[in-house]
Amino acid sequence: KAGVTQTPRYLIKTRGQQVTLSCSPISGHRSVSWYQQTPGQGLQFLFEYFSETQRNKGNFPGRFSGRQFSNSRSEMNVSTLELGDSALYLCASSRLGTRQETQYFGPGTRLLVL
Amino acid sequence: GESVGLHLPTLSVQEGDNSIINCAYSNSASDYFIWYKQESGKGPQFIIDIRSNMDKRQGQRVTVLLNKTVKHLSLQIAATQPGDSAVYFCAENTGGFKTIFGAGTRLFVKA
Repeated sequence: KAGVTQTPRYLIKTRGQQVTLSCSPISGHRSVSWYQQTPGQGLQFLFEYFSETQRNKGNFPGRFSGRQFSNSRSEMNVSTLELGDSALYLCASSRLGTRQETQYFGPGTRLLVL
Repeated sequence: GESVGLHLPTLSVQEGDNSIINCAYSNSASDYFIWYKQESGKGPQFIIDIRSNMDKRQGQRVTVLLNKTVKHLSLQIAATQPGDSAVYFCAENTGGFKTIFGAGTRLFVKA
């Protein structure tokens, strides 16, 4: 079974631009979570989606948004990019996203904002 | 922000020795804990998990210990190998479809 895939793997943008990242979960997984990973803040939860509905959101500004499609694929968007948005963005999937389920991570998209 | 409390220390061990990585968590209501391993350029990879109704769980060369009284987790790696060099994260699943990660520990294995 294929793992979680994320595209693109690397991205360079300039301040003020916007970016869309894509995540395809493991087949059969309906819960998709997004995380931001930086050296200073570690892994920070962004949001979680299940059946096209956002069930939880972390403490990030409204510039960070996401969505999920009917095939469980998910995208996240960051508008008006800031230098501090440079990070590794990780997507993780699980079957139902329940509290006693393990998440499986993709390789991440490394975003550099100049 | 919320965190499973673990500043990013570095642990250096000799190949063949046992490694112990520690983690403190903050939410006493959390009932599921996971250890992940992250190698350079990759996403976190599941190692082992434990539910709160257990205090010890063993896998292949790894053991996780849970002490709910002091809200502490540890990961023990037996006979540490160079391939174990990575950053290790503990994580807790809280309610609300959210996982909280610790800051990670970098493990160096000296050959």
